[in-house]
Amino acid sequence: GENVEQHPSTLSVQEGDSAVIKCTYSDSASNYFPWYKQELGKRPQLIIDIRSNVGEKKDQRIAVTLNKTAKHFSLHITETQPEDSAVYFCAASMSRDDKIIFGKGTRLHILP
Amino acid sequence: DVKVTQSSRYLVKRTGEKVFLECVQDMDHENMFWYRQDPGLGLRLIYFSYDVKMKEKGDIPEGYSVSREKKERFSLILESASTNQTSMYLCASRGDTGGDEQFFGPGTRLTVL
Repeated sequence: GENVEQHPSTLSVQEGDSAVIKCTYSDSASNYFPWYKQELGKRPQLIIDIRSNVGEKKDQRIAVTLNKTAKHFSLHITETQPEDSAVYFCAASMSRDDKIIFGKGTRLHILP
Repeated sequence: DVKVTQSSRYLVKRTGEKVFLECVQDMDHENMFWYRQDPGLGLRLIYFSYDVKMKEKGDIPEGYSVSREKKERFSLILESASTNQTSMYLCASRGDTGGDEQFFGPGTRLTVL
């Protein structure tokens, strides 16, 4: 089955700097890659997603890139703000199967 | 606006008790999921269901069972609760078209004494 690895487990960046979280997946049949943000005490919520027919997608300060050949994808947050502090999960899903398999999460700290 | 609700936010049970966690979604989603969340281990899939009365094992089904008698409701059952089942349990639902956003419930923090 699919396996998603996520790095780093913890990331601290200065406010205003950029943050990058990286994930790899094992099954080349995966074609949907969402990113979820979980603030303290709250439920995970989708912040951005990308399909395998696209190499990059942007939404304001966040962007996701996908390298199908290498089977890895990354989340980029620019101009970080205090409200970006949260746990971020990457995930992968296959079209023939509606399971979404999650990475173990990255705790992002934005330092003042 | 999709709503996924769970029956309890906090639950305390004793070892050996039978525990029911209920999840209800109001968006007519076919697919429903149960995860447990533990520090450093992320979101691990316990069971999921594609349709009423259908269920599939996830990555960690041992010690759990599920029930889906109605489309909007997905129940997680701990037949005989153990202390290693102390965790945060998250329910989620998703539309039938592959790739749709998965919506999570608020979670139930279960403590087994």
